[in-house]
Amino acid sequence: NAGVTQTPKFQVLKTGQSMTLQCAQDMNHEYMSWYRQDPGMGLRLIHYSVGAGITDQGEVPNGYNVSRSTTEDFPLRLLSAAPSQTSVYFCASRDLSGTVGNEQFFGPGTRLTVL
Amino acid sequence: AQSVTQLDSQVPVFEEAPVELRCNYSSSVSVYLFWYVQYPNQGLQLLLKYLSGSTLVKGINGFEAEFNKSQTSFHLRKPSVHISDTAEYFCAVSLSYSGNTPLVFGKGTRLSVIA
Repeated sequence: NAGVTQTPKFQVLKTGQSMTLQCAQDMNHEYMSWYRQDPGMGLRLIHYSVGAGITDQGEVPNGYNVSRSTTEDFPLRLLSAAPSQTSVYFCASRDLSGTVGNEQFFGPGTRLTVL
Repeated sequence: AQSVTQLDSQVPVFEEAPVELRCNYSSSVSVYLFWYVQYPNQGLQLLLKYLSGSTLVKGINGFEAEFNKSQTSFHLRKPSVHISDTAEYFCAVSLSYSGNTPLVFGKGTRLSVIA
């Protein structure tokens, strides 16, 4: 199993550009989520999904869109990048079947800089 | 809504000394509690979790944590740290009544082990 994979690892954008951060998992997990990590702020939830076709907003959703057309993929779209979106982005997934409180698995992160 | 407070943003400690990283949570309903570790330039990985039962939970790499419901705390401890424990540690909480509620993270504690 590759686990949770994210592409790209690094990205530099100019203000106003759009892009999609890719996230995929091969563990057949229903739950997937996106966090951003900023110094001194910990991890803040952007969006999450409990299955294909179902998404919901987290703590900091503004400026980001998501969709979940398959179980495996959960892309994060920046519609018009702003310097405030400079951050490290982590995708995570979790199995919702069986025992509750299952471990959440994280990808290696995407470091995004917006100039 | 639930929240997590990590009382120390940075903790320096000498090698082979004990360490305690503090975590307090706030929730009006019962919760699950987690500690994650993030090594430099990596994603997060699970150290340990408390779901129910014994309040003393043992995790990987010699870490343990104790759930204290009356003090709403879940402090992480290790009796003797190594250089390799240098990392950022995150406490997280999720509501226990549903397996698909998001994890809410604290702001993190940076542990620096000094030789």
